Amino acid sequence: KAGVTQTPRYLIKTRGQQVTLSCSPISGHRSVSWYQQTPGQGLQFLFEYFSETQRNKGNFPGRFSGRQFSNSRSEMNVSTLELGDSALYLCASSGGTSGGPEETQYFGPGTRLLVL
Amino acid sequence: AQSVTQLGSHVSVSEGALVLLRCNYSSSVPPYLFWYVQYPNQGLQLLLKYTSAATLVKGINGFEAEFKKSETSFHLTKPSAHMSDAAEYFCAVTSNTGKLIFGQGTTLQVKP
Repeated sequence: KAGVTQTPRYLIKTRGQQVTLSCSPISGHRSVSWYQQTPGQGLQFLFEYFSETQRNKGNFPGRFSGRQFSNSRSEMNVSTLELGDSALYLCASSGGTSGGPEETQYFGPGTRLLVL
Repeated sequence: AQSVTQLGSHVSVSEGALVLLRCNYSSSVPPYLFWYVQYPNQGLQLLLKYTSAATLVKGINGFEAEFKKSETSFHLTKPSAHMSDAAEYFCAVTSNTGKLIFGQGTTLQVKP
């Protein structure tokens, strides 16, 4: 099976712009989660989607949003970019349906966003 | 609430030596614990997972971890380090809603 794929891999934007990142989960996986990784804050959970519905949300401002399509592909959007949004954004998919703590998440390679 | 603490942000070992990366967790419910590895410019790769079936968990690439409830620990070990093991390692616990809560990571350096 192909793994989780993310596009683009690298992105450079300027402050105030918006950006959309894409994630394709492992075939058959219906849950997609997004994480932000920065040197200062480490890995932080953004949100999780399951069957096109946001099932869980982290502690990020409303500028961060996401959606999931009927084929389980997911996008996240960041509006009005700030310098502090520079990070590696990781997408993970899991094949379970309960959303419970026992499910294993499989990660993509990430999108590295640089905000100038 | 669940949390994870990784002791030592940087660990250096010689090739062939024992690798020990420390992880302590806090959880109000029986935990599900994970170790992931991240190579430069890559995503996270699952090394192993504890689900309460067995306290000693074997993972990929010769790594294993032992769950010790009395010590609230889940340390990662490998008997003999290879140069290819140099990477960043993350311990994580899942919340009751399934989100992963990560430790700050430990960078493993392997010296020839």
